[in-house]
Parts: sequence; C-alpha cells; structure tokens
Amino acid sequence: ETGVTQSPTHLIKTRGQQVTLRCSSQSGHNTVSWYQQALGQGPQFIFQYYREEENGRGNFPPRFSGLQFPNYSSELNVNALELDDSALYLCASSQDRANEQFFGPGTRLTVL
Amino acid sequence: SQQGEEDPQALSIQEGENATMNCSYKTSINNLQWYRQNSGRGLVHLILIRSNEREKHSGRLRVTLDTSKKSSSLLITASRAADTASYFCATRAAGNKLTFGGGTRVLVKP
Repeated sequence: ETGVTQSPTHLIKTRGQQVTLRCSSQSGHNTVSWYQQALGQGPQFIFQYYREEENGRGNFPPRFSGLQFPNYSSELNVNALELDDSALYLCASSQDRANEQFFGPGTRLTVL
Repeated sequence: SQQGEEDPQALSIQEGENATMNCSYKTSINNLQWYRQNSGRGLVHLILIRSNEREKHSGRLRVTLDTSKKSSSLLITASRAADTASYFCATRAAGNKLTFGGGTRVLVKP
C-alpha cells in the first residue's frame, strides 16, 4: 500500500451531472497527478498540481478541473459528464514534480 | 494519445516460466518506468531505468532499454501465479507527466 487514498471507491452518475473525486497524498509529498484509465487501456494524464498550482495538463477539455489544498490533498472535478467519462480515475502523489509517483487505488466512475 | 505500445497485448504462461514483454515509444525520454496493475486497481511501481542506462535488475525483474530503437523490455523470471496482472510501461520526457502504453495482460497458470 502506498499511503495514497482516494474517495469514493465507486460512483455512478448520469450524463450531464457533475462529479468531484478526492485524493489524499502520501505524507511528505507536495505533488499530485491525476490520470484517467478507460477499460482495457493505459492511464492518460489529465493534469498535475504542485504546491497548489496546476503544473501541466494533458489533452482534456476544460470541464475537467482540479484543486490542490494546503495539506496537498487534491480534488478532480468533472462537469457536464459524458458517457465516455466512464473510467477508473487514478491519482498519484510524489515528492516534487519529477520524482517517482505513488498511485492510489482509484475511483471507478460509471456514467449512465 | 499513448506514447508507448506494449507487445504482446496478452501473454499466458505456466508457473515457473519466464515472461517477456516489450515496449516501444516515440519521442526522446528522460526515463522509462514499468508498473503492475492488479484487476483494475492502482498501479504499483516496479522499476525505473534512466535514458543513460541499458539494463537494470530488481529481484526477478530485468529491464533493458535501447534508446536507439526507442524500445524497452521487461523480463519476469520464474513466474508465479501472483504475477498475474497487467503490466504498463510509462515514459517521462521533458516535463512532469508520465505517458503510458496500452499494457500487457499476463496470466500465469498454476
């Protein structure tokens, strides 16, 4: 176990709704990265937060947004959910931006 | 888009056999990492190899990197049923994001 926790474990939403996913980073880590993993595929980078600032973003639309708090925990918000947003959402924390990333167990989001 | 492509996509072997999977990528990298994922859960970091390294070992794992061919291989020796999982390579280029391949699904039969 890495010490990175995510909540909730599973979530079911309907198209058009909004969702917030949460991640608590490992103690001593100041960087959180978020990934989307569709079924049968590898994770895709959404964005990274370093000391409460966005520090890099993948090819995701603006309806994917995030926050990092002073204790370095983080939220991923997705607005106007689409069916294709159904996926496993993974967060990873690291000590500074380019160091080894430790992944949480993920939140499985189903959009109906 | 995915930077890396793993080959094969799936692999089935008997316990005790070796498992080899390959990863190809497209751009220059700082390092390449291998991860394991059990049943759609979180990723477990296995090994990191830097662009100036050619081979690295960790327990039953052996990783090679050929930057001229933009490829890497992961060898698991003396496989066990507990090695059943999906294995992903991930590259780090300039910047901070990891770019993952599509994974190799390994089944180790007892």
